[in-house]
Amino acid sequence: NAGVMQNPRHLVRRRGQEARLRCSPMKGHSHVYWYRQLPEEGLKFMVYLQKENIIDESGMPKERFSAEFPKEGPSILRIQQVVRGDSAAYFCASSVSTGTTAGELFFGEGSRLTVL
Amino acid sequence: GENVEQHPSTLSVQEGDSAVIKCTYSDSASNYFPWYKQELGKRPQLIIDIRSNVGEKKDQRIAVTLNKTAKHFSLHITETQPEDSAVYFCAAPADKLIFGTGTRLQVFP
Repeated sequence: NAGVMQNPRHLVRRRGQEARLRCSPMKGHSHVYWYRQLPEEGLKFMVYLQKENIIDESGMPKERFSAEFPKEGPSILRIQQVVRGDSAAYFCASSVSTGTTAGELFFGEGSRLTVL
Repeated sequence: GENVEQHPSTLSVQEGDSAVIKCTYSDSASNYFPWYKQELGKRPQLIIDIRSNVGEKKDQRIAVTLNKTAKHFSLHITETQPEDSAVYFCAAPADKLIFGTGTRLQVFP
C-alpha cells in the first residue's frame, strides 16, 4: 500500500511564475489536507478537501492560492505569480476520518518550493 | 476555532535523561491528540496518540498524558537517545488537525 505521494519533491520558480504541487492520498483515504511549513517553523494548515469539494480553506491566502481534488486524479495546490515569501515546504496529508474524531494523518514527503 | 500552544520551543537533554513537552488546547470538544516527530528534511510521522477516554498511554519509552479538565496533554520520553533528536509537534482536531509550534529536542551523548 503506497503512502501519500507528492510531486515534485523540489520545485524552483522565478518570481511571477506558477507553481503546481500534486498529491495522491493513500489508497482508501478520501480526505486530503495541505500544510505549509516555512523554514524553522511549524505546520500551518492551509486547506482541507474531499473529492470534488473544498471543505475548509480558512488557512489559505485569498489571492494567488487555489486547491482542488478532482473526482479522478491527484489533489493539486496551485500558486500563481509566486513571490519569495512562498518559498516553503508544502506537505500533503490524508486520512480516513476527520473532525473531532480525527484519525491519524499520513504525510507525504513534501514539496519544497524555492522562489528565486 | 481550535488553538494549540506548545512549550518549550527548544529542549536540550543529556542522553539517558527524560524529556517532557507540554501542549494546551482550546476546544473542549476535541477528543484526539496525536504527537508527531519530524526529523530534519523529512515528513512528520505519528509516534503516539491518545483519545479522550483515557488519561495516559505508553509505548516503550514514550508516553502521553491527557488532562481534559485543564485541556492540556504532554509527551514524555524516558531514557532519551541521540536518535530522539528531532522536532516534535502536538496537534488537536477541529475538522482538521491544528498543530502546535513545535519543540526542537536535542539529545547530547
